[in-house]
Amino acid sequence: GQNIDQPTEMTATEGAIVQINCTYQTSGFNGLFWYQQHAGEAPTFLSYNVLDGLEEKGRFSSFLSRSKGYSYLLLKELQMKDSASYLCAVYSDYKLSFGAGTTVTVRA
Amino acid sequence: DAGITQSPRHKVTETGTPVTLRCHQTENHRYMYWYRQDPGHGLRLIHYSYGVKDTDKGEVSDGYSVSRSKTEDFLLTLESATSSQTSVYFCAISDPVTSGSANEQFFGPGTRLTVL
Repeated sequence: GQNIDQPTEMTATEGAIVQINCTYQTSGFNGLFWYQQHAGEAPTFLSYNVLDGLEEKGRFSSFLSRSKGYSYLLLKELQMKDSASYLCAVYSDYKLSFGAGTTVTVRA
Repeated sequence: DAGITQSPRHKVTETGTPVTLRCHQTENHRYMYWYRQDPGHGLRLIHYSYGVKDTDKGEVSDGYSVSRSKTEDFLLTLESATSSQTSVYFCAISDPVTSGSANEQFFGPGTRLTVL
């Protein structure tokens, strides 16, 4: 079975940093994805981690610890356009299993 | 952006009627997926395809069937729609050969289905 947990909601101020945690217990693991989804739109790919450590991509970074079943997505220098849902997903056997998503609200 | 479309984009139907949703891609990707998205549940896999005429069930496949007769089209059918199938349906595509190690999935725009 798959169990993927992430917080439901987070609020932060424009220009600040927010860290979205994701913990997982899954029967298989070939990597971990983060997707961004704006309201009423399709999810779009943000990052992929298959090895332990930090992957940095501009204002967004993603971290993975396979031994702890833990990942986080770090959003720096928050902008209003970063208000969205962020989806954590475990990849195994060519399939993705998603967490319920974290809605991030950025306030001015 | 991946060339992936879904039709219809919105549909309202009545309980007990059959419904078919279409996913069309122009990327020649091998894998295609159907998900449903509901508040509090996130995206859940219904069925997926790993090639023409090759399909398999996901975690919420009951009440749904799929068909893939050619690479570019993946159809999702609700044989007899129920109110519990009211949801937003997303199609996704991927291909491990062209995507490399990441094999990320690209999502279509979604279909909002309401079953009355």
